[in-house]
Amino acid sequence: GQSLEQPSEVTAVEGAIVQINCTYQTSGFYGLSWYQQHDGGAPTFLSYNALDGLEETGRFSSFLSRSDSYGYLLLQELQMKDSASYFCAVRERERGSSNTGKLIFGQGTTLQVKP
Amino acid sequence: DAGVIQSPRHEVTEMGQEVTLRCKPISGHDYLFWYRQTMMRGLELLIYFNNNVPIDDSGMPEDRFSAKMPNASFSTLKIQPSEPRDSAVYFCASSLERGGSKNIQYFGAGTRLSVL
Repeated sequence: GQSLEQPSEVTAVEGAIVQINCTYQTSGFYGLSWYQQHDGGAPTFLSYNALDGLEETGRFSSFLSRSDSYGYLLLQELQMKDSASYFCAVRERERGSSNTGKLIFGQGTTLQVKP
Repeated sequence: DAGVIQSPRHEVTEMGQEVTLRCKPISGHDYLFWYRQTMMRGLELLIYFNNNVPIDDSGMPEDRFSAKMPNASFSTLKIQPSEPRDSAVYFCASSLERGGSKNIQYFGAGTRLSVL
């Protein structure tokens, strides 16, 4: 089966840097994504890594190491509005199918940013 | 584009009643997903469609749940009869088929269902 592990909660102060880790076990890995969800809102896409290395998008960066089945989301210059839940998700192939549209989401990490 | 549109935004019903949730995906998207989110179980994939065809419904809890996608611009998730444990936020999402775009799912605002 497939599984993803990420910390349940992280707390940091405004202006700081925080890293949210994600380890996964899955077959037919096709990429690691990150989504943000504010309380009462819908998940929104943040970033995606298909290959090893770091992807940077403004204050957010995402890293992937396929050999370690590990990735992380790095948030810099934290702002109060970054308080939200962050989900990692892996894309995998359906068994007995060439279809790879399915994402498996982790349980989410709740980030609390304090003044 | 207006994004993924779900209706209703809130639904309160009594146990045993039928509930129908609706979703309009982003025009041109090839995949449509139905998720359920609760504090206890997190974000669960219920079923997804590719080009209107159901691909994987292994996440559908039981026979009380059914989903249809009669055309590329509309899908429904039906619960009959509803039970209090079905109370959750139900999200619809859509994505494109092409390569890395499959990793980018666009979520609707969700339907908050309360079954009394």
